[in-house]
Amino acid sequence: KQEVTQIPAALSVPEGENLVLNCSFTDSAIYNLQWFRQDPGKGLTSLLLIQSSQREQTSGRLNASLDKSSGRSTLYIAASQPGDSATYLCALRSNQAGTALIFGKGTTLSVSS
Amino acid sequence: DAGVIQSPRHEVTEMGQEVTLRCKPISGHNSLFWYRQTMMRGLELLIYFNNNVPIDDSGMPEDRFSAKMPNASFSTLKIQPSEPRDSAVYFCASSFRGIDGKLFFGSGTQLSVL
Repeated sequence: KQEVTQIPAALSVPEGENLVLNCSFTDSAIYNLQWFRQDPGKGLTSLLLIQSSQREQTSGRLNASLDKSSGRSTLYIAASQPGDSATYLCALRSNQAGTALIFGKGTTLSVSS
Repeated sequence: DAGVIQSPRHEVTEMGQEVTLRCKPISGHNSLFWYRQTMMRGLELLIYFNNNVPIDDSGMPEDRFSAKMPNASFSTLKIQPSEPRDSAVYFCASSFRGIDGKLFFGSGTQLSVL
């Protein structure tokens, strides 16, 4: 059974720092992986989508990588800002899991000014 | 575009009552998903529609839950009778490319069953 883990559950950094959020999964047979951002009391916003054939995707200060062989994805945030404070979730669609996106529990990021 | 619209934003009801959650997907999107989020279990898929047809309802907890999509612009999730353990945030999401594309989420409905 596919499991998605995000460690740490919470992270606090000062403004301007570069940081990496981690996502690990147990089954490498994935179709695609997405990183989402969730603000308190709000829905999820899709940040980046990586297909299984891709190694990374970039959008502005965000870069997501995918290493299926090691069962890992990372979200790199450059020059963090207080506005980046939110919960970041990774979710993947497994080849064997049908239609369900399997979500991690998320990492709550706090960027202090 | 206004995005995915859900109503109500908050719902407080008593155990045993019927609850109906509503969702309007983004115009032109052909897929609609209902998710439930709790602290304990995180985000879980309840049901997925493609072109208004239910494709995967394996996540629907039990017969008390039902979902419909009568047309491309509207879906409902109904709980009857509601129980305290149904308390959660319920999200609706839509996608242009079904399960292959990015999901766009609504703001959710915070349901509290007393």
